[in-house]
Amino acid sequence: EAGVTQFPSHSVIEKGQTVTLRCDPISGHDNLYWYRRVMGKEIKFLLHFVKESKQDESGMPNNRFLAERTGGTYSTLKVQPAELEDSGVYFCASSQLVIRGGTDTQYFGPGTRLTVL
Amino acid sequence: AQSVTQPDIHITVSEGASLELRCNYSYGATPYLFWYVQSPGQGLQLLLKYFSGDTLVQGIKGFEAEFKRSQSSFNLRKPSVHWSDAAEYFCVKAAGNKLTFGGGTRVLVKP
Repeated sequence: EAGVTQFPSHSVIEKGQTVTLRCDPISGHDNLYWYRRVMGKEIKFLLHFVKESKQDESGMPNNRFLAERTGGTYSTLKVQPAELEDSGVYFCASSQLVIRGGTDTQYFGPGTRLTVL
Repeated sequence: AQSVTQPDIHITVSEGASLELRCNYSYGATPYLFWYVQSPGQGLQLLLKYFSGDTLVQGIKGFEAEFKRSQSSFNLRKPSVHWSDAAEYFCVKAAGNKLTFGGGTRVLVKP
């Protein structure tokens, strides 16, 4: 069974440009998450999809970030326009179950390293 | 706010020696705890998890972790380290579906 995949693995862009990151979750996983790690900081939660709906987007830093999950399958995270502080590693994860009051194991992709110059 | 603390940023250990990574978490009624590892050039891999039950949890690659509610700790251990264990290790707490990560501990293995 294929794991969570992310594309691209690396992206180098200039400040002000737009970048779109893609995540393909494990097949059959309704939950999809985005996290990021900026230099020297902890990995932080960005948002959570259940199928195509945003369940929790409390970690999104500002309105330059737009996440979508068309048809409840793959997801994209667009940064427009990119700023220097957006540099870091963006991780995607997926989990199978939606457990009210509980949690389920999240499986992570390899991450996309974004560098904004 | 939920928090997870990993006091050691770096640990250097000799191959074959034992390893213990410390983790403390903020109080929670029912903590769901994980350890993930990120090897160089790789993604985050789940080592083990604690949801309930036996407080000593066995994971992959010979790792184990012990949940101690009284100390709010979930330390990771391995009796004998291999060179391939050189990586960054993350202690993680779940609150619902949102994960809170510790800062990570980078493990260097000396031959």
